Amino acid sequence: EAGVAQSPRYKIIEKRQSVAFWCNPISGHATLYWYQQILGQGPKLLIQFQNNGVVDDSQLPKDRFSAERLKGVDSTLKIQPAKLEDSAVYLCASSGRALALETQYFGPGTRLLVL
Amino acid sequence: AQTVTQSQPEMSVQEAETVTLSCTYDTSESDYYLFWYKQPPSRQMILVIRQEAYKQQNATENRFSVNFQKAAKSFSLKISDSQLGDAAMYFCACRGGSQGNLIFGKGTKLSVKP
Repeated sequence: EAGVAQSPRYKIIEKRQSVAFWCNPISGHATLYWYQQILGQGPKLLIQFQNNGVVDDSQLPKDRFSAERLKGVDSTLKIQPAKLEDSAVYLCASSGRALALETQYFGPGTRLLVL
Repeated sequence: AQTVTQSQPEMSVQEAETVTLSCTYDTSESDYYLFWYKQPPSRQMILVIRQEAYKQQNATENRFSVNFQKAAKSFSLKISDSQLGDAAMYFCACRGGSQGNLIFGKGTKLSVKP
């Protein structure tokens, strides 16, 4: 079974530029999550999708971050414009259901550096 | 609101020895789940072990076991017979309610000495 795929793996941009990350969850997984992991900290949830609908985006900085999951499969996360404090690893995860007991399967992450 | 605290930024263990990683949590939910995730260097995060709060019996997965103290809100991870491949960041996490968010601690970096 293929795992969660993410691209690109690394990205370096200058502040005020825009950037987009892509995630392909495990086949059949209805729930998709985007996390931000700043160096030295644990991941923090940005947004959760159930199929193609948003379940929770309360911690997404909506003035600069946006995410979509068209057709309930792949997802993209965009930052526009980027700030220095956005430097982090962006993790995508998926699970079969949105239940609390469900295991979340993580992708390898995209490491973003904003200069 | 939920919080997860890992008070040990770094730990070290000799190969084949046993090590315990500490975690405390706080949640207002009566129904919640606790997790330990492993994040090896430059590799993806994987689930090590999971504990349902309503279960009194401590979870065990091969060399990994937990000591779940519900009243003390403590959830420590014990790794027995440590192997070089156990070297990684270990994150404790809590998820409350039926569909609550997964809240992570700051992690403990485990080194395994040959």
